[in-house]
Amino acid sequence: DSGVTQTPKHLITATGQRVTLRCSPRSGDLSVYWYQQSLDQGLQFLIQYYNGEERAKGNILERFSAQQFPDLHSELNLSSLELGDSALYFCASSANTRDTGENTEAFFGQGTRLTVV
Amino acid sequence: AQSVTQLGSHVSVSEGALVLLRCNYSSSVPPYLFWYVQYPNQGLQLLLKYTSAATLVKGINGFEAEFKKSETSFHLTKPSAHMSDAAEYFCAVRGGRGGSYIPTFGRGTSLIVHP
Repeated sequence: DSGVTQTPKHLITATGQRVTLRCSPRSGDLSVYWYQQSLDQGLQFLIQYYNGEERAKGNILERFSAQQFPDLHSELNLSSLELGDSALYFCASSANTRDTGENTEAFFGQGTRLTVV
Repeated sequence: AQSVTQLGSHVSVSEGALVLLRCNYSSSVPPYLFWYVQYPNQGLQLLLKYTSAATLVKGINGFEAEFKKSETSFHLTKPSAHMSDAAEYFCAVRGGRGGSYIPTFGRGTSLIVHP
């Protein structure tokens, strides 16, 4: 168990709809990362939050947005869903934005499998 | 930008044979390097990490990786494959000069183990 919790595990929705994925990081971790994993694109970084603030953006579509709340949990909002948005969405957490020393790894949740029909 | 390249999207070995999964990174200064494993329908689990303390890194499940600066490589090995090693393996990089502290992943290598 990595300590990172993602809900729901599975989500099936129709095109054009909006969904929210939730992530609770490991206790004490301030950084949260969101990744999208698909067969053709691999593991793509979407966005990072650190202690409530957006820190970095990757290949995130304008239809997607995220936020991190004061209790450090994070939500990824996906709207106007398309068939191509079907993928595994992972949340990961780490202690700091610029970790040094031994505590440098990101810990991953089990993922949310999104199916858009 | 930092990146890692995993050579071979699929590697097939027999049970008991040597496992070698290749990873090359791009960075002028050694970054932090990681190997993760993903079993079907699960998240990524850290196998091992390189943080400049030692060039030969031992991880879980009998895996190890050697950091070679001259070759910009961080290949993953295991002397004897088990059926339970069948999974997707990802090499990742973080940090280094000019690099980002966002973990960046390779495309993954699927390890197939034959009885």
